[in-house]
Amino acid sequence: SAVISQKPSRDICQRGTSLTIQCQVDSQVTMMFWYRQQPGQSLTLIATANQGSEATYESGFVIDKFPISRPNLTFSTLTVSNMSPEDSSIYLCSVWGQESYGYTFGSGTRLTVV
Amino acid sequence: AQKITQTQPGMFVQEKEAVTLDCTYDTSDPSYGLFWYKQPSSGEMIFLIYQGSYDQQNATEGRYSLNFQKARKSANLVISASQLGDSAMYFCAMREGEWAGTALIFGKGTTLSVSS
Repeated sequence: SAVISQKPSRDICQRGTSLTIQCQVDSQVTMMFWYRQQPGQSLTLIATANQGSEATYESGFVIDKFPISRPNLTFSTLTVSNMSPEDSSIYLCSVWGQESYGYTFGSGTRLTVV
Repeated sequence: AQKITQTQPGMFVQEKEAVTLDCTYDTSDPSYGLFWYKQPSSGEMIFLIYQGSYDQQNATEGRYSLNFQKARKSANLVISASQLGDSAMYFCAMREGEWAGTALIFGKGTTLSVSS
């Protein structure tokens, strides 16, 4: 299965600033997904990142707040913009590759907004 | 309505005992996949086991087995011979539809605590 490098692993940010999270995969993958996991909660899908086109966002998530780039089949970024303490969460990228039914996850980014 | 329901916020088990984590799902799509993931305190998501909606046999992977009851829409995870390292959060997830590349939908999770 694919191996994902997600950076940064954690960060503490000031409110009002932005953070960009990177997800690098060691092989070409068809679909990449971004999830948010608020403290003690489940994973909620933010958006699906498609190569060469705009990301598809879930209800409650907007592009201005969570812009996503997917410049090629191995890389994606998620930016958390104009952060507030409510954005403190773990953010995870996930990929699905045609070689298996499995979905692989990055190690996550623990974001704390102060 | 919730697509994935995990009704046990926390479960406690002693080492070497078996434990069942419950999961029910809701979908009208005849084609779907069910997954279980383990999330230790480090935060990584570890894939445990998969069951396809058309699979005739219950899935097994080492100490993990999935008790798939399609008519009841349940997909319970059974962990045999629990170990201290099994202490973690466990998530049940579903992929709806025939295309395997759709995003997973997760339940709220169950925290498993294994004691010696």
